[in-house]
Amino acid sequence: GAVVSQHPSRVICKSGTSVKIECRSLDFQATTMFWYRQFPKQSLMLMATSNEGSKATYEQGVEKDKFLINHASLTLSTLTVTSAHPEDSSFYICSARPDAGYEQYFGPGTRLTVT
Amino acid sequence: AQSVSQHNHHVILSEAASLELGCNYSYGGTVNLFWYVQYPGQHLQLLLKYFSGDPLVKGIKGFEAEFIKSKFSFNLRKPSVQWSDTAEYFCAVNSGGYQKVTFGTGTKLQVIP
Repeated sequence: GAVVSQHPSRVICKSGTSVKIECRSLDFQATTMFWYRQFPKQSLMLMATSNEGSKATYEQGVEKDKFLINHASLTLSTLTVTSAHPEDSSFYICSARPDAGYEQYFGPGTRLTVT
Repeated sequence: AQSVSQHNHHVILSEAASLELGCNYSYGGTVNLFWYVQYPGQHLQLLLKYFSGDPLVKGIKGFEAEFIKSKFSFNLRKPSVQWSDTAEYFCAVNSGGYQKVTFGTGTKLQVIP
């Protein structure tokens, strides 16, 4: 089956620093990847749609200068949280959609804690 | 804009009980519908999906869902739940022409042995 990996699985950083999270589709190509944020006891909130070779599309209310997305290849998208603050602490999940389908395959998530 | 609502936030059942989780969406055009499951400590997995054709969709682990267009619903069912079905279930919709998938708020299912 389709597998999506995320790295790192957990990261703790100090306020004001930047953190990069990688999302890889391991056995399929994905022109489109998605970044979500999941708050405790809540659903997934779509942050942005990452498109290979073009700029990401951000959802309303998501700061594009704070959450930098780079979709460098058909199997890799990165999310960089710049100048992180404690309120950015959350569970970040990526998903990838195979080029020939509509379903998304999810990564295991990255737990970010900003101290 | 597309939206999804799940009516049950927390459901507790005994093993062997039947399950039905409600899901309603709002979008008037063509839709693709999904149910995802998140087991404790694991990531989201696709349970089943509907794109077109037979409105009764069968998924993994004995789950099924029925697309009723007139009711804008896509309820998830299982005739007899097991303790291992304890998880959070998310309904999701992707409407024609949109790349993104919109998720419902999720339903936590707890199955008591």
